[in-house]
Amino acid sequence: DTAVSQTPKYLVTQMGNDKSIKCEQNLGHDTMYWYKQDSKKFLKIMFSYNNKELIINETVPNRFSPKSPDKAHLNLHINSLELGDSAVYFCASSRGSFMNTEAFFGQGTRLTVV
Amino acid sequence: DQQVKQNSPSLSVQEGRISILNCDYTNSMFDYFLWYKKYPAEGPTFLISISSIKDKNEDGRFTVFLNKSAKHLSLHIVPSQPGDSAVYFCAAKSNNNDMRFGAGTRLTVKP
Repeated sequence: DTAVSQTPKYLVTQMGNDKSIKCEQNLGHDTMYWYKQDSKKFLKIMFSYNNKELIINETVPNRFSPKSPDKAHLNLHINSLELGDSAVYFCASSRGSFMNTEAFFGQGTRLTVV
Repeated sequence: DQQVKQNSPSLSVQEGRISILNCDYTNSMFDYFLWYKKYPAEGPTFLISISSIKDKNEDGRFTVFLNKSAKHLSLHIVPSQPGDSAVYFCAAKSNNNDMRFGAGTRLTVKP
């Protein structure tokens, strides 16, 4: 029983393509996140959704668009992929809207743009 | 703008000894701090946390210390075991669901 699942685990694509990464959590959490781990291993927040509502939108190119069809899903769409988008992307979820609890992470999606 | 900093990218410790991982933060709005452990090809997993109203939290071999005035926290692992070898991320949360991570410290525990 995977709590936070991301698909695909690996994604290799060419520059200019449009791709999506899906994320689902079965924990009943209200808040979901997307993080990017760059080549220097920094985990940087990209977006945070609470009950399908966008809460945090960091300085991310507008080629990145999160979509939350329901509170169990937060998908990441990336248009016109660039070489610099290559990274590992982590989805996470946490309980409650303003409660301080730990987040549960997916296994990550390694995106390689060639 | 790194609001959470882990200045040591790596740490090597002998089995049985104490591992001390450090973390500094700049944003005084953070009120909850967490440590995550990450193995290769896996997502980070929660390890231990501390609220800003406390200065210490202990869970088995793991203890987190918080010094609010210095905006500094540390994770102590005693005794260290080879299975503790992983990357440890410090994270800080404010109450708007903003969770920021440090760059991580790779801990190697040698048998």
